Amino acid sequence: DTGVSQDPRHKITKRGQNVTFRCDPISEHNRLYWYRQTLGQGPEFLTYFQNEAQLEKSRLLSDRFSAERPKGSFSTLEIQRTEQGDSAMYLCASSSRQGAEGTEAFFGQGTRLTVV
Amino acid sequence: KNQVEQSPQSLIILEGKNCTLQCNYTVSPFSNLRWYKQDTGRGPVSLTIMTFSENTKSNGRYTATLDADTKQSSLHITASQLSDSASYICVVSGEGFGNEKLTFGTGTRLTIIP
Repeated sequence: DTGVSQDPRHKITKRGQNVTFRCDPISEHNRLYWYRQTLGQGPEFLTYFQNEAQLEKSRLLSDRFSAERPKGSFSTLEIQRTEQGDSAMYLCASSSRQGAEGTEAFFGQGTRLTVV
Repeated sequence: KNQVEQSPQSLIILEGKNCTLQCNYTVSPFSNLRWYKQDTGRGPVSLTIMTFSENTKSNGRYTATLDADTKQSSLHITASQLSDSASYICVVSGEGFGNEKLTFGTGTRLTIIP
């Protein structure tokens, strides 16, 4: 158990519907990351937060995607008007600090989204 | 373009045997290299993390090596167990030290058979 929890674990939705995922990071971690992983591929970076500030967004994050971390604790990732290409595992990770050693990212178990 | 390539794509070995997984990267500048284990349907779990000044690091039966000159890394698993069956992902951190700059390999799918 890494301490990062994601909800739900699985989500099946019809194309065109909106979905929202939640991530609760390890409590003392100030950085939170969202990644997307499709079958047979490694995770791809989507966006990250330092505390409540969203500092970077990948170009993979189209305008149908929005992420928030309103109080610097949990985060939500919303996908509007879902498309079949959005089907993937959405992974959340958190880390505690920057530093010369590089910071360890602890991943949650992911939310598996299937758009039908 | 930053890339991380892993080989083999998949590997099947008998329980108790050793194996070595390979990782080549072109990420520049380089901050650190990590190996993660990912069980099917679950998030990755860190095994090792190495900066450019380290050339070997162990975590139990897992030993990772890094050659920053040739931009190669390997993960050696000793005395494999059935629970080692998973995907092993090589991840390289580029500029800065943030996890937003991680480049992931596609992984090696390892299957241990009894």
